[in-house]
Amino acid sequence: DQQVKQNSPSLSVQEGRISILNCDYTNSMFDYFLWYKKYPAEGPTFLISISSIKDKNEDGRFTVFLNKSAKHLSLHIVPSQPGDSAVYFCAAGAGGTSYGKLTFGQGTILTVHP
Amino acid sequence: DGGITQSPKYLFRKEGQNVTLSCEQNLNHDAMYWYRQDPGQGLRLIYYSQIVNDFQKGDIAEGYSVSREKKESFPLTVTSAQKNPTAFYLCASRPQQVMAQPQHFGDGTRLSIL
Repeated sequence: DQQVKQNSPSLSVQEGRISILNCDYTNSMFDYFLWYKKYPAEGPTFLISISSIKDKNEDGRFTVFLNKSAKHLSLHIVPSQPGDSAVYFCAAGAGGTSYGKLTFGQGTILTVHP
Repeated sequence: DGGITQSPKYLFRKEGQNVTLSCEQNLNHDAMYWYRQDPGQGLRLIYYSQIVNDFQKGDIAEGYSVSREKKESFPLTVTSAQKNPTAFYLCASRPQQVMAQPQHFGDGTRLSIL
């Protein structure tokens, strides 16, 4: 039972355009969400997060949107750059006694073409 | 320069052998985590620890063991009971005191069976 799903295995975008990566979740207990970026043979790097009390969080070129009623979040990258090419994971966590455990999606491979 | 160090980067195991993956952090983080990543899949939680001398099973703990004798160290042993150990293993940590803080990852160890 996958509680966090990224239904698009890959996404290809032209440099300068917008990249939109999507993530769906099923567990209503999740109250914060994170996006990580991962290059091959390296560990994931934290990009941006959002709490369930917000519907948008912005950091430079990266914006995360949360639609709680649809249990859906998305990461927008504008403008996309070739260096953004990587695997992007969304992750979700529940507060309280969850001890910071995260549930990860399968990842989406983003390729930004020059 | 604070961070998480995983060693070795590549590890080979013979059938029936136990192997231990090292994870050391100098971030003064209380919580530490071990994940496994398989091709096309997200990160799956093996074990986690909130405090020294205490740890809990994650979603796929069978065939693995851990110890947490020091705050800085959280080694993972892949035992011969783990029937499919070939994977990319990632260690992470986070400050326990602050809710919704992201986990920080090491660069991983790739384990292969000879």
